[in-house]
Amino acid sequence: DGGITQSPKYLFRKEGQNVTLSCEQNLNHDAMYWYRQDPGQGLRLIYYSQIVNDFQKGDIAEGYSVSREKKESFPLTVTSAQKNPTAFYLCASSMDRSSYGYTFGSGTRLTVV
Amino acid sequence: DAKTTQPNSMESNEEEPVHLPCNHSTISGTDYIHWYRQLPSQGPEYVIHGLTSNVNNRMASLAIAEDRKSSTLILHRATLRDAAVYYCILRDVWGGTASKLTFGTGTRLQVTL
Repeated sequence: DGGITQSPKYLFRKEGQNVTLSCEQNLNHDAMYWYRQDPGQGLRLIYYSQIVNDFQKGDIAEGYSVSREKKESFPLTVTSAQKNPTAFYLCASSMDRSSYGYTFGSGTRLTVV
Repeated sequence: DAKTTQPNSMESNEEEPVHLPCNHSTISGTDYIHWYRQLPSQGPEYVIHGLTSNVNNRMASLAIAEDRKSSTLILHRATLRDAAVYYCILRDVWGGTASKLTFGTGTRLQVTL
């Protein structure tokens, strides 16, 4: 079955460490997205990519970095510059046309201690 | 980005229909109306989308006002499994950099026996 996979589901890191969240899709979707969700809040866009080797900052890109070397993969690195990294991180993909919906992964819950 | 307004929460009894409203008075002629729902600790799930005409699928129906300034997501028979946060989102038809989804806080639907 086609889908989008995020790993790990839960992640604990010490303050000051960089951490990379994985996102892989086998839907042949062009566009991929990273969102952050804080408790009781909606999703906020961190980065998005419409094609391989290209990506754009979203609304809250500071302290994060991404790469898009393959169509299937869009990893997110949470750097030590991110002031409050504890959150629920969601990856999504879609065809880059508004007539298509997004497919979301099941998320990674990052806790920084 | 065009903005949507939804009630913070709604309640429904199981087996009864639910009408979830969304106002989008500043919608442009090229915006699709998308609905997603998010169960606790999961990624959002695509529900339905439309442009001008009412739409039906296996999950729900979408009723769009003639002036497109509002829409209603209809769950025909609510079940406990439908308890979730429902998001109404506008997405520009031309895609590209305008095609990213912007999430608000949505409507939290509670379903009771």
